[in-house]
Amino acid sequence: QSALTQPRSVSGSPGQSVTISCTGTSSDVGGYNYVSWYQQHPGKAPKLMIYDVTKRPSGVPDRFSGSKSGNTASLTVSGLQAEDEADYYCCSYVADYTVIFGGGTKLTVL
Amino acid sequence: QLQLQESGPGLVKPSETLSLTCSVSGGSISSSNYYWAWIRQPPGKGLEWIGSLYYSGSTYYNPSLKSRVTISLRTSENQFSLKVSYVTAADTAVYFCARVFKATDYLDYWGQGTLVTVSS
Repeated sequence: QSALTQPRSVSGSPGQSVTISCTGTSSDVGGYNYVSWYQQHPGKAPKLMIYDVTKRPSGVPDRFSGSKSGNTASLTVSGLQAEDEADYYCCSYVADYTVIFGGGTKLTVL
Repeated sequence: QLQLQESGPGLVKPSETLSLTCSVSGGSISSSNYYWAWIRQPPGKGLEWIGSLYYSGSTYYNPSLKSRVTISLRTSENQFSLKVSYVTAADTAVYFCARVFKATDYLDYWGQGTLVTVSS
């Protein structure tokens, strides 16, 4: 069970948009619309940002959006703000009561 | 508002057993709509799913840890626990407990995490 593949880092200037990819296989990301994304600030617990590929929990800004094509899911952050600087992890269903995480991406706001 | 809180020793000796408890408040651990998970994060590294538990008592473990991990339910106390046996320095990590929405497997509530260091 290998981790989903994410870029180690991405960056953008305030106001710009960045996209973080998450590549898996047809047995996880590509096989189900059960991909979620988490934001983690240093020393804090992860926070749910996107679930079911495209849905946002209450309270998450609409600057955050999710999508999927084939075996790759993506998280886009539009109108970058300083507080968006954090680590981001994707997560996918793989089997009953079992999920797998991506390796994580550090988003830097320049 | 649901809250999860991890508790347990912060220091464990090599070859011994790591034991943690997750206390759930503001909701029932016996809900059929959710299951419960342990996740860990070694210092400076990414998240690793350890295993999951459903209120029926059914458990599911990461194959890479399965031989050393036990997750169990304490329904009357609204808690669930984690045991990792024969620990090494590689088990040093922040350990999180979380609630998972069963239908589509997203983790909607997390504990704050607790650092466990394996060292003699």
